[in-house]
Amino acid sequence: NAGVTQTPKFQVLKTGQSMTLQCAQDMNHNSMYWYRQDPGMGLRLIYYSASEGTTDKGEVPNGYNVSRLNKREFSLRLESAAPSQTSVYFCATGLGGPTGANVLTFGAGSRLTVL
Amino acid sequence: AQSVTQLDSHVSVSEGTPVLLRCNYSSSYSPSLFWYVQHPNKGLQLLLKYTSAATLVKGINGFEAEFKKSETSFHLTKPSAHMSDAAEYFCVVRGTGDYKLSFGAGTTVTVRA
Repeated sequence: NAGVTQTPKFQVLKTGQSMTLQCAQDMNHNSMYWYRQDPGMGLRLIYYSASEGTTDKGEVPNGYNVSRLNKREFSLRLESAAPSQTSVYFCATGLGGPTGANVLTFGAGSRLTVL
Repeated sequence: AQSVTQLDSHVSVSEGTPVLLRCNYSSSYSPSLFWYVQHPNKGLQLLLKYTSAATLVKGINGFEAEFKKSETSFHLTKPSAHMSDAAEYFCVVRGTGDYKLSFGAGTTVTVRA
């Protein structure tokens, strides 16, 4: 039982390059999230998907796009990477709704450096 | 909209002494509150959650937190720190009917031998 799997774990890009971070879950959770973590700022929500077929912007969506490919997979794309996007990215999944109270299960993170 | 403020960016304790991590929240509705822990180079793991049941919540690894509505606080405590408690801790709030969570800036805990 892998839980939440993110790939790649590490990536170095040059300014202007594009890339996609992949996230897959085997938790059978409806909601999926992408966060970025920067020192002293906690985690900030980039995009989320409350269920298959829907996506919504979070706090810091500029420069990113997402795709909820199916219930298991939620990808994050940087079309033209900028140094300000250097960060650690976390994918998370949750049951959502009142019953699940949105307890999240996190992946191990993807460390991205943009030069 | 909801938010959290973690009052200490860094806490240093000796092994075997109590740990207190302070969190104040702001929420328009009855909130759900969480504490997560992140060990170095790892993802976040749920320590405990409050969802309008008992105000004193017990979590994993001997941690507990008390919800105080009058003080809008949700402080995390542990009676006796262990070396393995060295990590970063995040207080998190969710408002009613909202999928989105708001994270505090984090408190880094150092445990001295």
